Amino acid sequence: AQSVTQLDSQVPVFEEAPVELRCNYSSSVSVYLFWYVQYPNQGLQLLLKYLSGSTLVKGINGFEAEFNKSQTSFHLRKPSVHISDTAEYFCAVTFRGNTGFQKLVFGTGTRLLVSP
Amino acid sequence: NAGVTQTPKFRVLKTGQSMTLLCAQDMNHEYMYWYRQDPGMGLRLIHYSVGEGTTAKGEVPDGYNVSRLKKQNFLLGLESAAPSQTSVYFCASAPLKTSGNTGELFFGEGSRLTVL
Repeated sequence: AQSVTQLDSQVPVFEEAPVELRCNYSSSVSVYLFWYVQYPNQGLQLLLKYLSGSTLVKGINGFEAEFNKSQTSFHLRKPSVHISDTAEYFCAVTFRGNTGFQKLVFGTGTRLLVSP
Repeated sequence: NAGVTQTPKFRVLKTGQSMTLLCAQDMNHEYMYWYRQDPGMGLRLIHYSVGEGTTAKGEVPDGYNVSRLKKQNFLLGLESAAPSQTSVYFCASAPLKTSGNTGELFFGEGSRLTVL
């Protein structure tokens, strides 16, 4: 079955420290990959996406992610976090190959907690 | 620039009561979705629609019904609410695959439902 795994449910980090949020997926077909961010009491907004081309993708707010096909991973990174980055982050994958409806499969989310 | 709008944003129900959540999008998207978000479980797909007049079941459809009478609206109904349906509900939309749909979703801000 197609699935997305975010092993870390919560990642505490100090302000200005680097962070990596991990995402792995199970698939033998081509994929599109996304990271969404959800700030407290808000909806989900797109942080970045990988469709094709360069495996290093840059998003909003200084985040970037690298697609690693051999490891079926799409980890999210930021070199220096801010208090305002405190939010829940969702990895999501569309498993390409369908001729019609595209279904986005979500991971269970990682809560990033940035403290001073 | 409304995007995806959900109403109401908050609602408290008693067990057995019924209610309808309304989702409206102004982007002329074909696809619309209803998700529920629960702690530690990420987003789970309830129902979706690939076009006006069509609906389909997602992962967790039991206890919910939907209708898509107009392209821009997608209604989620609870006929007899149960405490297990206490959750945050998100509506999302996406364009047709032929219009560049990669699976990326555009989300509303959520509707928080509490069933007592």
